Amino acid sequence: DAKTTQPTSMDCAEGRAANLPCNHSTISGNEYVYWYRQIHSQGPQYIIHGLKNNETNEMASLIITEDRKSSTLILPHATLRDTAVYYCIVRVGNSGGGADGLTFGKGTHLIIQP
Amino acid sequence: KAGVTQTPRYLIKTRGQQVTLSCSPISGHRSVSWYQQTPGQGLQFLFEYFSETQRNKGNFPGRFSGRQFSNSRSEMNVSTLELGDSALYLCASSLASLYNEQFFGPGTRLTVL
Repeated sequence: DAKTTQPTSMDCAEGRAANLPCNHSTISGNEYVYWYRQIHSQGPQYIIHGLKNNETNEMASLIITEDRKSSTLILPHATLRDTAVYYCIVRVGNSGGGADGLTFGKGTHLIIQP
Repeated sequence: KAGVTQTPRYLIKTRGQQVTLSCSPISGHRSVSWYQQTPGQGLQFLFEYFSETQRNKGNFPGRFSGRQFSNSRSEMNVSTLELGDSALYLCASSLASLYNEQFFGPGTRLTVL
């Protein structure tokens, strides 16, 4: 049973901001939202993660709604190299014994158009 | 700083054989996780090792096993290979926990004939 829901695919024009939504309506209070992406034929790449406050780093911004039931990953100025599958993952933020690790869903295939 | 390396990159085996895959984490990283990626099931977590101990485990049969050495390098073994084991096997390392930022290797493409 998926903890997150993401659109299957999205298009974005090069140079524009890409906004990738993720629904996680059953998120628990101690669960973080993680974003990874996978460019074709490469291993996944960490982008950003957050608990309840908005986060920003050199790659992207993460906006989490006040009720934490959804979030948006923002790539401010998308380039062709940002074409990839983007995964939104919800998971507790500690090691924990017997935890089931990161669960990657189907993700969103983001296609940046020239 | 060198990234996560995995060997071999490609492997072809036949049903019933066993295989061992190797992963060298980023220097200083103590947590190593393994994932299986197939077109049908996507990315699935296999297990995580930390300080030579398996700390987390996914829902895979006992044919899938692993270990970690004192230098944090890790190996994954699959015994009695089945056709459905054909997949990209990814290794990821992080400083202390798989919930920290994980750095993935390029993967080992295993084909079972």
